[in-house]
Amino acid sequence: NAGVTQTPKFQVLKTGQSMTLQCAQDMNHNSMYWYRQDPGMGLRLIYYSASEGTTDKGEVPNGYNVSRLNKREFSLRLESAAPSQTSVYFCASSVGTPSISTQYFGPGTRLTVL
Amino acid sequence: GQQVMQIPQYQHVQEGEDFTTYCNSSTTLSNIQWYKQRPGGHPVFLIQLVKSGEVKKQKRLTFQFGEAKKNSSLHITATQTTDVGTYFCAGRLQGAQKLVFGQGTRLTINP
Repeated sequence: NAGVTQTPKFQVLKTGQSMTLQCAQDMNHNSMYWYRQDPGMGLRLIYYSASEGTTDKGEVPNGYNVSRLNKREFSLRLESAAPSQTSVYFCASSVGTPSISTQYFGPGTRLTVL
Repeated sequence: GQQVMQIPQYQHVQEGEDFTTYCNSSTTLSNIQWYKQRPGGHPVFLIQLVKSGEVKKQKRLTFQFGEAKKNSSLHITATQTTDVGTYFCAGRLQGAQKLVFGQGTRLTINP
């Protein structure tokens, strides 16, 4: 099993460009998440999906959109990238509800917006 | 604002010394999880605490959940270079569905 995979690993964008970060898991997990990690801020939840077909906002959803394409895949889209979105983005998944289940993280995408 | 506070932000120790990181919340937590992130890596689950006053051990790591379920700690005895990384707590506020991560404590070790 590959676990949680993310593409791309690195990306550089110019302000205003758009892009989609891809995430897939092969553990048959119900819940999936997108976090961003900034120095001194820990991990902040952007969006999550408790089950296929549902998505909910986290702490910092502004400037992002998500799609739970199927049970395996959960993508994060930046419509018009801004320098404030320079960060490391982690996708995660868990078997059950977000609050009590172990979360398994992908390797991360390092995004720089110039 | 940050609802789960973690201190210290950084800690540098000599190999063999002990290390402790603390996690505090102003509101009661239903449960708390701890994760470790190696430099350049991704967070990896260590443990979950659910009961008031709970103490769990994993080899040299001891995890505690406070009696009031508002704080937690991770203590490492006799650190080794393999302990290097950032340790995060993540708590669920009562009534909420999501975990809130602390800012993390970055541990560095002098061999």
